[in-house]
Amino acid sequence: EVQLVESGGGLVQPGRSLRLSCAASGFTFDDYAMHWVRQAPGKGLEWVSGISWNSGSIGYADSVKGRFTISRDNAKNSLYLQMNSLRAEDTALYYCAKGDYCTNGVCFHAFDIWGQGTMVTVSS
Amino acid sequence: QSVLTQPPSVSGAPGQRVTISCTGSSSNIGAGYDVHWYQQLPGTAPKLLIYGNSNRPSGVPDRFSGSKSGTSASLAITGLQAEDEADYYCQSYDSSDVVFGGGTKLTVL
Repeated sequence: EVQLVESGGGLVQPGRSLRLSCAASGFTFDDYAMHWVRQAPGKGLEWVSGISWNSGSIGYADSVKGRFTISRDNAKNSLYLQMNSLRAEDTALYYCAKGDYCTNGVCFHAFDIWGQGTMVTVSS
Repeated sequence: QSVLTQPPSVSGAPGQRVTISCTGSSSNIGAGYDVHWYQQLPGTAPKLLIYGNSNRPSGVPDRFSGSKSGTSASLAITGLQAEDEADYYCQSYDSSDVVFGGGTKLTVL
């Protein structure tokens, strides 16, 4: 079964750090880009960060640049998000998503597999 | 303020047709980047609904269709059903960054 399972969320004080993990299974993890997307309570989707299959290309939203670091371990089929200097506005459900939908030999930069999300609450 | 603009809400009666617009600019949709659409049912993760502007993944009913023209894209849903009540998001790229629309809540009357 193709799936992504996030973990590592929780309640954290402003200014502290948290590391999220995403375990992938059911597909060839190291063939695809991976992303983190978050959703604040009652709000829309916000892209956070993305990483190419070989970690050679990495991008961040302006809202997290300099504070968050994305990484992956292809040997462990895992994606990570190190979140430092957390703020109240980082409170959200964080989704891990597979970043390429490939069909008939053509790939599109669409998110075709999503995890169930892990909740991060930043509050004192 | 989202880079891609969607109406906050749309509604329609069962069996009717509704459209959801996604308006961008020359740096994203107008630059030639593909538009993708997602459906998010209450309490669940988003699901890919349309990829590459107008293509449906297997398992998505043909009641859902997408189109793109210039700096905008649209999602159309025909033969509305109660189970279509959800939030819908468009997604594209702006330079090298992923961008989402603000989302549209579809209410089936």
